[in-house]
Amino acid sequence: GEDVEQSLFLSVREGDSSVINCTYTDSSSTYLYWYKQEPGAGLQLLTYIFSNMDMKQDQRLTVLLNKKDKHLSLRIADTQTGDSAIYFCAENPNRDDKIIFGKGTRLHILP
Amino acid sequence: DTEVTQTPKHLVMGMTNKKSLKCEQHMGHRAMYWYKQKAKKPPELMFVYSYEKLSINESVPSRFSPECPNSSLLNLHLHALQPEDSALYLCASSQDPGGTQYFGPGTRLLVL
Repeated sequence: GEDVEQSLFLSVREGDSSVINCTYTDSSSTYLYWYKQEPGAGLQLLTYIFSNMDMKQDQRLTVLLNKKDKHLSLRIADTQTGDSAIYFCAENPNRDDKIIFGKGTRLHILP
Repeated sequence: DTEVTQTPKHLVMGMTNKKSLKCEQHMGHRAMYWYKQKAKKPPELMFVYSYEKLSINESVPSRFSPECPNSSLLNLHLHALQPEDSALYLCASSQDPGGTQYFGPGTRLLVL
């Protein structure tokens, strides 16, 4: 079945790197997404990766995709207080209108 | 520009009221979506409009009624809601059905 798993909570010191992990079940997923949601706000598309890529880098963000293990990770370098949010991993396995979201990882930044 | 706007930001309504949520995008996207999000949960899909036609209704109660007047606008009409309908209602759009979805800021709804 379709399912996206991610840990619920991550605590990181300011200035360190944060790594948020996600596993998905459907190998037919063409695109995999990371969305960020700050308190009281909507979802912001942070980045996405096409399934024929294994890495994508955008400034402080690095996405790694291991298609064999169906594992996706988001690394945030030099984590700042403004990175405190919930991060949702998501897949679109059938390229239809339904995105499958993980439960979200709450990133907490320690001073 | 990847902006989706939603109004109002906040809404409080009684169980006998009728209200509407509005969503707008000017990116030329041809698919628009309504989601409901409860606290500490991921968004749940409610409705999808593709090329201004309702393509998905995820068994949503009839007290929620979507409308797509044109390709840029999406409304959600609310009538006789229950307190458990209190949630953040998110609108999203994508270039084409199945494409990358861009979300609005949401309307926080409280039903008393």
